[in-house]
Amino acid sequence: QSALTQSPSASGSPGQSVTISCTGTSSDVGGYNCVSWYQQHPGKAPKLLIYEVTKRPSGVPDRFSGSKSGNTASLTVSGLQAEDEADYYCSSYAGSNSYVFGTGTKVSVL
Amino acid sequence: EVQLVESGGDLVQPGGSLRLSCAASGFTFSDRLMHWVRQVPGEGLVWVSRINGDGSSTTYADSVKGRFTISRDNAKNTLYLQMNSLRVEDTAVYYCARHYVSGSYSVDSWGQGTLVTVSS
Repeated sequence: QSALTQSPSASGSPGQSVTISCTGTSSDVGGYNCVSWYQQHPGKAPKLLIYEVTKRPSGVPDRFSGSKSGNTASLTVSGLQAEDEADYYCSSYAGSNSYVFGTGTKVSVL
Repeated sequence: EVQLVESGGDLVQPGGSLRLSCAASGFTFSDRLMHWVRQVPGEGLVWVSRINGDGSSTTYADSVKGRFTISRDNAKNTLYLQMNSLRVEDTAVYYCARHYVSGSYSVDSWGQGTLVTVSS
């Protein structure tokens, strides 16, 4: 149950796109199409952005999109806005009813 | 509106015990799998445990297995986490979270968290 690996930080200017990666193993990210992404602003609870690799819950803007290749999943935020500045976490099902989160990526809007 | 309200966090000595509660409202509690997730302030999210709707199936992270017990009382719409043999490294904000739709392997609602501090 090792944490999924995310780059510590990413940044972009308003209107640009930023992509965050999440690397696991064949026992979690690579083994299931069960990757989720969460956004967390300081002092707040996380918010679900993406589930099952590519699906968005109702109310989440289509600026947020997810993908996966092998053991690495990615979240792309297009048309970056000031309110997108936050911490982002991936999560994956890891088999046997267990889950694992990523180490988190801090996104800054320049 | 979905509401999850945690309580029970406190300062406890290493080796001590604590029971966290999470009062749920705004949805049919017994229909949903529930989770506990923790976060050391300033650090990342860590999945702790999950329980299915009728309480018959539970799973734990290796770091808490044998020390923590998740349970639920569907009549009271309440989720619990019994924490025994607490260690300094268990210090964190503990969130209860509602599983999203069946098969989604994600959580869609979180409480505000309750702080557990393990220190002598």
